[in-house]
Amino acid sequence: AQSVSQHNHHVILSEAASLELGCNYSYGGTVNLFWYVQYPGQHLQLLLKYFSGDPLVKGIKGFEAEFIKSKFSFNLRKPSVQWSDTAEYFCAVNAVGAADKLIFGTGTRLQVFP
Amino acid sequence: EPEVTQTPSHQVTQMGQEVILRCVPISNHLYFYWYRQILGQKVEFLVSFYNNEISEKSEIFDDQFSVERPDGSNFTLKIRSTKLEDSAMYFCASSRDGRTDTQYFGPGTRLTVL
Repeated sequence: AQSVSQHNHHVILSEAASLELGCNYSYGGTVNLFWYVQYPGQHLQLLLKYFSGDPLVKGIKGFEAEFIKSKFSFNLRKPSVQWSDTAEYFCAVNAVGAADKLIFGTGTRLQVFP
Repeated sequence: EPEVTQTPSHQVTQMGQEVILRCVPISNHLYFYWYRQILGQKVEFLVSFYNNEISEKSEIFDDQFSVERPDGSNFTLKIRSTKLEDSAMYFCASSRDGRTDTQYFGPGTRLTVL
């Protein structure tokens, strides 16, 4: 069965610090990979996605993620966080050719202090 | 930008009562989904719906649950006899092309079963 692990449950940073959130998945086949963000009181929004091609994908608000197939990882990065990045971040995968349901990780709560 | 909408934002009900959660997917989307998130846990897939029928459902989606697209715009989730453990945030999502496309999420309905 597919699963997604996000090892950082709660991350606290100061503004301008660099961010890396880990995401690992378990599935032997081809996957589509997503990062969603949920700002306080708002709904899940797509931050970025990887379907194929360049494994380094850039998303909105300066976020990027790198797909490393050999490590089954899709870590999210941002070189300099802002207070407005305070949110919950969810990694999700779906199995290409199998089903279109998304399998989510447990989420990482990011708090950025000015 | 088109968005998925959900009503109500918060529903409180007594155990054993029926509830209907409503969603209006993005208008040109063809694939519809329900997910739920119990407080403190990960977002879990419930059901996917395409061409007026269920395409996949999880083990959570038992006989107490049903989905319907009663008209060209609404997509509903019905829980026939709610249990305490049904208390969760329920998210509707839609996508245009299913497996090869991004799922866009609504703001969620918080269901509280007393």
